[in-house]
Amino acid sequence: DGGITQSPKYLFRKEGQNVTLSCEQNLNHDAMYWYRQDPGQGLRLIYYSQIVNDFQKGDIAEGYSVSREKKESFPLTVTSAQKNPTAFYLCASSTAGLYSNQPQHFGDGTRLSIL
Amino acid sequence: KQEVTQIPAALSVPEGENLVLNCSFTDSAIYNLQWFRQDPGKGLTSLLLIQSSQREQTSGRLNASLDKSSGRSTLYIAASQPGDSATYLCAANNAGNMLTFGGGTRLMVKP
Repeated sequence: DGGITQSPKYLFRKEGQNVTLSCEQNLNHDAMYWYRQDPGQGLRLIYYSQIVNDFQKGDIAEGYSVSREKKESFPLTVTSAQKNPTAFYLCASSTAGLYSNQPQHFGDGTRLSIL
Repeated sequence: KQEVTQIPAALSVPEGENLVLNCSFTDSAIYNLQWFRQDPGKGLTSLLLIQSSQREQTSGRLNASLDKSSGRSTLYIAASQPGDSATYLCAANNAGNMLTFGGGTRLMVKP
């Protein structure tokens, strides 16, 4: 089945540690996105990528980093500079293009907590 | 900057009721408006996408309308069922499939 796979489902971070969240898609989508969701709130965009080897900061990129070396993969690193990383992280993908009218497809998320 | 608001934040109804969820947005220059469903601890599932040139979209018991000039969209759920219990999120697409999300409406349908 085509879809988006996020791993791990739960992740714990120690003080001063960087952690990496995995996102893989087999939908042949060019665009991929990372969102953060805090309890009872909507999603906020961290980073997005419209094509391989290119990515852009979203609204809340500070303390996060990404790479897009392959079309299928868009890992997110939560660095020690992110002082409040506890949240639910969602990865999405879609067809690219300025006038895209296709919905984004989402993974099942990774819940990150601080030890 | 686009801002999206959803009212109410939470809603509890008995099974069988028809209900309306509201979404408002500040920047009317949108390409489309999307409605998603989110179950607890899960990702988002796309329900309906209304293009800027459309007034409404329907899928089964769901109907979404769009009024760009007033910056509003509504999601109508007919004959609600307990399985409809979830959080419903709307998102405005202003450019390049960059979505701005509302805070969601948490729906509980009681048997």
